[in-house]
Amino acid sequence: GAGVSQSPSNKVTEKGKDVELRCDPISGHTALYWYRQSLGQGLEFLIYFQGNSAPDKSGLPSDRFSAERTGGSVSTLTIQRTQQEDSAVYLCASSHRGTAEPSSYNSPLHFGNGTRLTVT
Amino acid sequence: GQQVMQIPQYQHVQEGEDFTTYCNSSTTLSNIQWYKQRPGGHPVFLIQLVKSGEVKKQKRLTFQFGEAKKNSSLHITATQTTDVGTYFCAGPFTSGTYKYIFGTGTRLKVLA
Repeated sequence: GAGVSQSPSNKVTEKGKDVELRCDPISGHTALYWYRQSLGQGLEFLIYFQGNSAPDKSGLPSDRFSAERTGGSVSTLTIQRTQQEDSAVYLCASSHRGTAEPSSYNSPLHFGNGTRLTVT
Repeated sequence: GQQVMQIPQYQHVQEGEDFTTYCNSSTTLSNIQWYKQRPGGHPVFLIQLVKSGEVKKQKRLTFQFGEAKKNSSLHITATQTTDVGTYFCAGPFTSGTYKYIFGTGTRLKVLA
């Protein structure tokens, strides 16, 4: 079946420009995550969408970053006035269930191949 | 942002040697997941642990969840070159949420 799709796969932009990164989650997955991974580093949580609930934006590094998820499916991560430190791979993941069930099995996160953003 | 510590950060082993990575949290976890990221790839789910003291095995990989559900480990027996990659733990480190935070990762290099 189709996995998580991200576009573009690579994006080179000039400092100060805005960029939009797109994520198409697996059909039926209610939870959607955005992470950022700098070269050789770990995954930095950015934002989490769960169904129709208000997103958890606690990981967004600045107000230049925003994300939306339309119709509970496709998500767009927007970075305004890009800076060189924004250069990284932006990974999107989706999972089947997003409700907190502390003692239950939680569905794994399925990742896309990421968008490699380079700010020159 | 919030991070979870994994040790070691890097590990180089000779093929055939064993390897262990540890994941430590300051908070009790409802569950913990492990992922593997091959060089140039994206993280891929390996396993989930839910119960206190739980141990699960996948061929040469053994996963353990601590009794207090605050730490976890991944042990690989007799490493192979196909084990190369970065291993991450991930969990809902904020109590009562489904916000998965990933550990800092352990990068494994296997020398043939």
